[in-house]
Amino acid sequence: AQSVAQPEDQVNVAEGNPLTVKCTYSVSGNPYLFWYVQYPNRGLQFLLKYITGDNLVKGSYGFEAEFNKSQTSFHLKKPSALVSDSALYFCAVMRYNFNKFYFGSGTKLNVKP
Amino acid sequence: GAGVSQSPSNKVTEKGKDVELRCDPISGHTALYWYRQSLGQGLEFLIYFQGNSAPDKSGLPSDRFSAERTGGSVSTLTIQRTQQEDSAVYLCASSLPFEGGSETQYFGPGTRLLVL
Repeated sequence: AQSVAQPEDQVNVAEGNPLTVKCTYSVSGNPYLFWYVQYPNRGLQFLLKYITGDNLVKGSYGFEAEFNKSQTSFHLKKPSALVSDSALYFCAVMRYNFNKFYFGSGTKLNVKP
Repeated sequence: GAGVSQSPSNKVTEKGKDVELRCDPISGHTALYWYRQSLGQGLEFLIYFQGNSAPDKSGLPSDRFSAERTGGSVSTLTIQRTQQEDSAVYLCASSLPFEGGSETQYFGPGTRLLVL
């Protein structure tokens, strides 16, 4: 069965510090991996995706994520957090050549000034 | 508008009533998804439409839930005989057909459903 795990319900970080939001997945075959962000009272917005190629993927707003096949992880990272990054972050996986997405339960990121 | 739109934005109904939720996808997007987001939960896949193909209904939680997509564009999610546990935010997303690089989903703002 396909699934995504986000082990942390909440991540707290000080502004200017690096941040990591964790995601691990379970999928048969090659995974397509995504990160989405949901700001308060707004819809989900696409951040970045891994399809193939370089394991380090760069996306919107200075975020990046590293695909690690051996650890089945796709952690989201940013070198220097901003207060405006505070939001709910969702990791998602799609099995190659299928169109069904599996989302994690979300991680609330709090960036404090 | 260029984005996915959903209506109504909020819906309050009484237990046992039927509700209809509407989604207008981005023009040209042949793939359309419905999800449910409950408080403290992730996104739960409900149903997926792709062009004229039979929809993937594997995520619908019960036979009270159904969805249609007319003319390959607008979609309606119907919940019959609503229950309190149906209270959630219902999200719609659309995308171009999966071609190894066009599968990014664009989400609407959601419909917040409250069943009293």
